[in-house]
Amino acid sequence: QVQLRESGPGLVKPSETLFLTCTVSGDSIRNYAWNWIRQSPGKGLEWIGYFYINGSTNSSPSLKSRVTFSVDTSKNQFYLKLRSVSAADTAVYYCARDGVSRASDIWGQGTMVTVSS
Amino acid sequence: DIQMTQSPSTLSASVGDRVTITCRASQSISSWLAWYQQKPGKAPKLLIYKASSLESGVPSRFSGSGSGTQFTLTISSLQPDDLATYHCQQYDSYPWTFGQGTKVEIK
Repeated sequence: QVQLRESGPGLVKPSETLFLTCTVSGDSIRNYAWNWIRQSPGKGLEWIGYFYINGSTNSSPSLKSRVTFSVDTSKNQFYLKLRSVSAADTAVYYCARDGVSRASDIWGQGTMVTVSS
Repeated sequence: DIQMTQSPSTLSASVGDRVTITCRASQSISSWLAWYQQKPGKAPKLLIYKASSLESGVPSRFSGSGSGTQFTLTISSLQPDDLATYHCQQYDSYPWTFGQGTKVEIK
């Protein structure tokens, strides 16, 4: 079955750039749109943005200026780059698939990112 | 941005009870609403999409209804495994937004 797995540094210093990887297994990354979503400790879910292999993309206005999405189809991986991080970016970061229903039907297990010096 | 407001924030119910969670959108989202279940320390899991369609493999005790701005998630007979936080999400227009979550506790 389709599985997603996030990976990242765990700890990032303030003002640095966060780089996260989502590895997709069981299906081609070309077949769907993909989302990044985060959850700050004890808080609700926050949609970061989505991208599709054809270049279509959108992101939250509050993060748009700091976010970049990219993909490596040969590795079936996609990536999130978040620049100039601060403590407010401390969260569990999830990648998720846009299903045929357009809702996020498959999620990774999440990766915790802490921003601290 | 479309604001999603869930109520209640927390509810406590007994096994076998009928439980209803409400989600209100700040503007019409047609039926572009999903419900997710998130157990402690786990990723969210899709339960309902397009307001009332049950995701494959989800128990039939879960159901969704509503359109426009008012939506409900109902658990017809609460089970111990349903201890979780439930989130609604609109995917009518970007940016997609979530409700603040409803924590369901078992009495």
